[in-house]
Amino acid sequence: GAVVSQHPSWVICKSGTSVKIECRSLDFQATTMFWYRQFPKQSLMLMATSNEGSKATYEQGVEKDKFLINHASLTLSTLTVTSAHPEDSSFYICSADRQGVSGRGQFFGPGTRLTVL
Amino acid sequence: GEDVEQSLFLSVREGDSSVINCTYTDSSSTYLYWYKQEPGAGLQLLTYIFSNMDMKQDQRLTVLLNKKDKHLSLRIADTQTGDSAIYFCAESIGGSYIPTFGRGTSLIVHP
Repeated sequence: GAVVSQHPSWVICKSGTSVKIECRSLDFQATTMFWYRQFPKQSLMLMATSNEGSKATYEQGVEKDKFLINHASLTLSTLTVTSAHPEDSSFYICSADRQGVSGRGQFFGPGTRLTVL
Repeated sequence: GEDVEQSLFLSVREGDSSVINCTYTDSSSTYLYWYKQEPGAGLQLLTYIFSNMDMKQDQRLTVLLNKKDKHLSLRIADTQTGDSAIYFCAESIGGSYIPTFGRGTSLIVHP
């Protein structure tokens, strides 16, 4: 159990366009989801915490107007990269917090590779 | 320096044991984790240890925690080529389950 999916798994877009990435918890409800960004050979950087029904909490240095997060239901959070530029190219990973599972509360999605041309 | 540090590369021969080391700075860490990331994939939780434990064993995996030195290690016995991946050490602090990750150790297993 505790499967998290992401869609799409990879996307290539032109500079200036917007891209939406979906994160779904398939077999559990997640009041909290997290969005990470990973550069090649780097660690995961937490971008924001997404809470169902409320505004996301962004980490310092992350532009909330550029990375729009919506968590409209207990199983779905979306990350929209607006007006994407080549420097936004990265691997984006989401995770979902499964309540009541001590220590291993976060389950990670498979990631989305974004390439901006 | 970084909150969680680990060496970037480790190369071992198939069948040998691998030991991946990690140091962390926050003594109030509650949980410490090891994640595995295969190429182009997300993170898979391998194992975790609560901060009041010294050791945890799960099949081929052994986690050792030295809280005094803030040192965590992951030992993989009988390493196989399928174990080749990046291994991330992570900690969470207090009541938060949001992990802080190290930069990852690339484990290369060669015949």
